[in-house]
Amino acid sequence: DGGITQSPKYLFRKEGQNVTLSCEQNLNHDAMYWYRQDPGQGLRLIYYSQIVNDFQKGDIAEGYSVSREKKESFPLTVTSAQKNPTAFYLCATSRRDTEAFFGQGTRLTVV
Amino acid sequence: QQQVKQSPQSLIVQKGGISIINCAYENTAFDYFPWYQQFPGKGPALLIAIRPDVSEKKEGRFTISFNKSAKQFSLHIMDSQPGDSATYFCAARDRGSTLGRLYFGRGTQLTVWP
Repeated sequence: DGGITQSPKYLFRKEGQNVTLSCEQNLNHDAMYWYRQDPGQGLRLIYYSQIVNDFQKGDIAEGYSVSREKKESFPLTVTSAQKNPTAFYLCATSRRDTEAFFGQGTRLTVV
Repeated sequence: QQQVKQSPQSLIVQKGGISIINCAYENTAFDYFPWYQQFPGKGPALLIAIRPDVSEKKEGRFTISFNKSAKQFSLHIMDSQPGDSATYFCAARDRGSTLGRLYFGRGTQLTVWP
């Protein structure tokens, strides 16, 4: 079954904790992206990666980190430096010149 | 700076009516314009996309109109149905860029009343 798998679907974080969101794809797409979605803010780009072992900061990278050790995987770590991490996080993939395909998202809540 | 500006932020339409969402951009290097539909708690899904060599593209009840000189494009939903109630995002990409990222509008929340 081809697609993008994000896990977990719901995640709760205590103040001061780092948490890692998983994104795995079997579409054989080179590019992978992480977006943050807040009500009324649309989709804001956190990080993206065009190839393995390379990634670029998006518009709101502060307080986040990523790695791209395998083509299939692009995990996002929300660090304690991110002061307002409660949001809906979306992972996406694409070939370089086509549309993006999105996962089903992870809802992160700070408790 | 918002690369793609989308309006309205919310839209209420009666069943059977026409829903119209507008987007505008400044970067003339953009050459691919997709629209996404998102239901609550789900990821966005591609609805329809257009390239600037055509002025209109239609798929079922959904039509994109594109005005290259005005740098505007719009989504028209004909015969709107309650099942169309969702958030819609326009986007733009410069396919020639090595970065290849999509720029999204802020979204329009569409409600179709039965």
